[in-house]
Amino acid sequence: GENVEQHPSTLSVQEGDSAVIKCTYSDSASNYFPWYKQELGKRPQLIIDIRSNVGEKKDQRIAVTLNKTAKHFSLHITETQPEDSAVYFCAASQKSGGYNKLIFGAGTRLAVHP
Amino acid sequence: EPEVTQTPSHQVTQMGQEVILRCVPISNHLYFYWYRQILGQKVEFLVSFYNNEISEKSEIFDDQFSVERPDGSNFTLKIRSTKLEDSAMYFCASSAPGQGDYGYTFGSGTRLTVV
Repeated sequence: GENVEQHPSTLSVQEGDSAVIKCTYSDSASNYFPWYKQELGKRPQLIIDIRSNVGEKKDQRIAVTLNKTAKHFSLHITETQPEDSAVYFCAASQKSGGYNKLIFGAGTRLAVHP
Repeated sequence: EPEVTQTPSHQVTQMGQEVILRCVPISNHLYFYWYRQILGQKVEFLVSFYNNEISEKSEIFDDQFSVERPDGSNFTLKIRSTKLEDSAMYFCASSAPGQGDYGYTFGSGTRLTVV
């Protein structure tokens, strides 16, 4: 089955710096790669996603890149703010029709210091 | 915006007791999921459900777990005889029938504490 590795496990940056989180997946059949942000005690919230037919997607300060050949994808946050501090999870799935089982990475705890 | 709702938000139970966690998926969705997150760890897939039967389950989803859609709106996860290691946050999710909707929203979760 699918296995998702995520690095780093913790990341500490100064406000205004960029943060990059990387994930690799094992199953070349995976075709959908979302990123979730989770604040303490709350549900994971979808922040951005990318499909396998796209190499890059951007939404304001957040961008995701996908390299299908190497089977890795990355989250880039620019101009970080203290409110970006949270745990970020990448995930992979083989979305088929409406079915979408997600396999998650282990998470990255991001701390943005003012 | 439609939401997945879960009840209760927190449940404390004695080891060996049965618990039922409840979820109301988004109304036009056809696929339903349960995930588990042990404190400080990643979100893990437990089971998916479609057309009134389990479509896929993980190794975690052993004989003590069961799922049911008892009526047109609720989707439940039952743990027959709880163990200390079942203590976790349990999230429900649902997904849409068509190709257009890729992302899905998790419910707010039920924190299960087994004592």
